[in-house]
Amino acid sequence: SYELTQPPSVSVSPGQTASITCSGDKLGDKYACWYQQKPGQSPVLVIYQDSKRPSGIPERFSGSNSGNTATLTISGTQAMDEADYYCQAWDSSSNYVFGTGTKVTVL
Amino acid sequence: QVQLQESGPGLVKPSETLSLTCTVSGGSVSSGSYYWSWIRQPPGKGLEWIGYIYYSGSTNYNPSLKSRVTISVDTSKNQFSLKLSSVTAADTAVYYCARTIYGEVDYWGQGTLVTVSS
Repeated sequence: SYELTQPPSVSVSPGQTASITCSGDKLGDKYACWYQQKPGQSPVLVIYQDSKRPSGIPERFSGSNSGNTATLTISGTQAMDEADYYCQAWDSSSNYVFGTGTKVTVL
Repeated sequence: QVQLQESGPGLVKPSETLSLTCTVSGGSVSSGSYYWSWIRQPPGKGLEWIGYIYYSGSTNYNPSLKSRVTISVDTSKNQFSLKLSSVTAADTAVYYCARTIYGEVDYWGQGTLVTVSS
């Protein structure tokens, strides 16, 4: 089965840039998206189709996808960005696959 | 604004069948643009896709759960439902219903915790 791997945790200082990776076989050949989940809340889509931002998502969130890795970048990270982040893609059988998740801590 | 609301028992006994319904408001499950999904999250763990259904009734399930999962749609009630049979403690999770488009989830329900315990 298809797997997406993320680092368990990423730490960033306020105002700095956080980068979260998502690795999967030939992931760059698929569309990747990213969700933010804060404690006790439902996930929120922050990036879709590799690099597009839904309405209402701040410009500091950006995405890229090439080769075997998709990356979510948070520029000028704010305290409110502290959350769990999940990548997601489709596999060859049109099954949705979620990444393992990354906890972003703003120190 | 589309809203999704899960409903169903919060406690299910081992070996029994978990049944949940998602009621959609502000949109129609009959729209050909969307798929309607179930996703779960065990306490303290990551997200797991369970499956999705199209308004026509066609489905796609997570291979690891396929033998136990049935998702159905009731267009007259603007609802879709999940049945998961032969549950064990490992099926304890927050269950989310969601709307999916082009492979991503754009709207999520608030989630409902289902505990499997005798």
